[in-house]
Amino acid sequence: GENVEQHPSTLSVQEGDSAVIKCTYSDSASNYFPWYKQELGKRPQLIIDIRSNVGEKKDQRIAVTLNKTAKHFSLHITETQPEDSAVYFCAASNLLTGGGNKLTFGTGTQLKVEL
Amino acid sequence: GAGVSQSPRYKVAKRGQDVALRCDPISGHVSLFWYQQALGQGPEFLTYFQNEAQLDKSGLPSDRFFAERPEGSVSTLKIQRTQQEDSAVYLCASSLLPGTGNEQFFGPGTRLTVL
Repeated sequence: GENVEQHPSTLSVQEGDSAVIKCTYSDSASNYFPWYKQELGKRPQLIIDIRSNVGEKKDQRIAVTLNKTAKHFSLHITETQPEDSAVYFCAASNLLTGGGNKLTFGTGTQLKVEL
Repeated sequence: GAGVSQSPRYKVAKRGQDVALRCDPISGHVSLFWYQQALGQGPEFLTYFQNEAQLDKSGLPSDRFFAERPEGSVSTLKIQRTQQEDSAVYLCASSLLPGTGNEQFFGPGTRLTVL
């Protein structure tokens, strides 16, 4: 089955700096890669996703890049703000299995944006 | 429209007790997923429903875990003879359609503590 590794486990940046979180996956059949943000005690919320036919996607201060050959994808947050502090999870899925797109998650990155 | 809701939000059980966790997905969502999130970890897939059909239960850790969605809407995850290792947050997620990369919307989770 799919295995997703995520680094770093914790990341501390100064407000206004950029943050980068990296993930690798093992199953070359995976073709959908969402990122979720989870604040303490809250539900995971999708912040951005990318499909394997696209190399990069941006949404305001957030961008995701995908390297299918190397089987890794990254989340980039620019101009970080204190409200970006949360745990971020990457995930991978195969949309073509016919049994739903169950997600395999990474272990999470605790991002702390310091004033 | 309401999001995914789960009840109870917190459940304390003595070892050996049976528990039932409820998920109310977003109305009209075909796909429903259950995930288990241990402390400090990413969610792990348990089982998947497409309408009332349970198409994937490969993530259920033992035969003590049972899930159902008899009318294709509300789902119940039942854990029999709970063990301490069952302590975790149980997340339910729903998405509009299967296999298309539609966003999975998560509920707030049920935090289960087994004493």
